[in-house]
Amino acid sequence: DGGITQSPKYLFRKEGQNVTLSCEQNLNHDAMYWYRQDPGQGLRLIYYSQIVNDFQKGDIAEGYSVSREKKESFPLTVTSAQKNPTAFYLCASSQDRGTQETQYFGPGTRLLVL
Amino acid sequence: QKEVEQNSGPLSVPEGAIASLNCTYSDRGSQSFFWYRQYSGKSPELIMSIYSNGDKEDGRFTAQLNKASQYVSLLIRDSQPSDSATYLCAVIPDPGSARQLTFGSGTQLTVLP
Repeated sequence: DGGITQSPKYLFRKEGQNVTLSCEQNLNHDAMYWYRQDPGQGLRLIYYSQIVNDFQKGDIAEGYSVSREKKESFPLTVTSAQKNPTAFYLCASSQDRGTQETQYFGPGTRLLVL
Repeated sequence: QKEVEQNSGPLSVPEGAIASLNCTYSDRGSQSFFWYRQYSGKSPELIMSIYSNGDKEDGRFTAQLNKASQYVSLLIRDSQPSDSATYLCAVIPDPGSARQLTFGSGTQLTVLP
């Protein structure tokens, strides 16, 4: 059963705490992405990776970190430096086909601050 | 000016009517355009992609692209209550800009029974 999985579905963060969101795909896609969505807003790009062991900052990378040690996995860490982390976090992947790439999304993780 | 703008909505149409969703983009070199549907609390799912000027039809959905006017639209014929969702327009800007897929803020559609 191919697809993108994200865990957990809900995550609670305490002040000063780092938390890690998991994203796994078995689609054999080269590229993976992390987005943040705030209520009533579109998606904003946090980080993306087009190949293992390489990643680039998106539009709102401050306060976040990622790694890409395996093709199928792209975890996102929300650090204590991110002062407003409450949002819906979406992971996506695509088979890199240049300008015609289509991104497919996982089910998302909702992060709340205690 | 936002890179991708959508009619703000919310948009309400009666069941069976045509829903028209509009999107404009600022980067004239953009080449790839996508429409995603997002139900409340869920992740976006791809509805249509379009790369060339003109119309592209898939069932009740038609995407229209006019690169000269920097305009892309989505028409939903015979709208159903199950079409009620937020529709996100997304654009890949000019490849030379190294910009990634950019989303509009979405249009919320309600189809009234």
